[in-house]
Amino acid sequence: GENVEQHPSTLSVQEGDSAVIKCTYSDSASNYFPWYKQELGKGPQLIIDIRSNVGEKKDQRIAVTLNKTAKHFSLHITETQPEDSAVYFCAASKKGGGADGLTFGKGTHLIIQP
Amino acid sequence: KAGVTQTPRYLIKTRGQQVTLSCSPISGHRSVSWYQQTPGQGLQFLFEYFSETQRNKGNFPGRFSGRQFSNSRSEMNVSTLELGDSALYLCASSLASTGIEQYFGPGTRLTVT
Repeated sequence: GENVEQHPSTLSVQEGDSAVIKCTYSDSASNYFPWYKQELGKGPQLIIDIRSNVGEKKDQRIAVTLNKTAKHFSLHITETQPEDSAVYFCAASKKGGGADGLTFGKGTHLIIQP
Repeated sequence: KAGVTQTPRYLIKTRGQQVTLSCSPISGHRSVSWYQQTPGQGLQFLFEYFSETQRNKGNFPGRFSGRQFSNSRSEMNVSTLELGDSALYLCASSLASTGIEQYFGPGTRLTVT
C-alpha cells in the first residue's frame, strides 16, 4: 500500500518568515495530495490540495508544489503569522472511482515564534 | 453551511464493552469516511461509505464496523473494546466517492479503561 513520509516533525520559524514542509510518497498511482491543518482539540482542516496534472497551486500565503517524477510534494507558507501555529499533515490517495482512503504523513508541528 | 458533526465528543468505556459513534456529514455530501488518530500510529483509514454501501476498508480487525443511513449519516461500532482502541475517531465527508476534498469533523475522543 501507499506510504507517506513527512519532514520535519517539528519546525520553528520566526513570525514573518517562510515555512516549508516536505512529503514523499511511494505509490506512483497516487494522484491526489491534500494538506490539512489541525489545531488542538479540533479535527483536521483541509487547507489546500493538488492533483497530479498540476505542478503548483497557490492560495494567498499558502502554496503546494508536486514533483511526480521524484514522488514528492511540499507545502510552503509565506509571511507566517501566530495563527499558523498548528500540526500540519500531508496525505496521498488515488482519486476517482471509489475512495481508497487518505494515507497520511506523521505530521509536522509548526511553531511560529513571535 | 454547517460542518461535519460527531457525537458524542468524549466517551469513556471499559475493556470488553462495545461503543457506537455517530457522524452527520455536510449537507449534500454522500460519502463518509472514518479515521482513527493515535499518537503512535497517526491518522489511519478505517472505512468509507457511499450510498449506504461500504466502498473501501482499511487494515483494521472485524471488531470495527460501520453503516450509513439513507440520509448519509453514518455510525461506527467497535465491539469488545481493547485498551489500544483508545484514540480520536474522526469522520470526514465529501460530495462523492472519489476521495477528494474530504472535510473532517471534530472527532470523538474514546478512552478505554
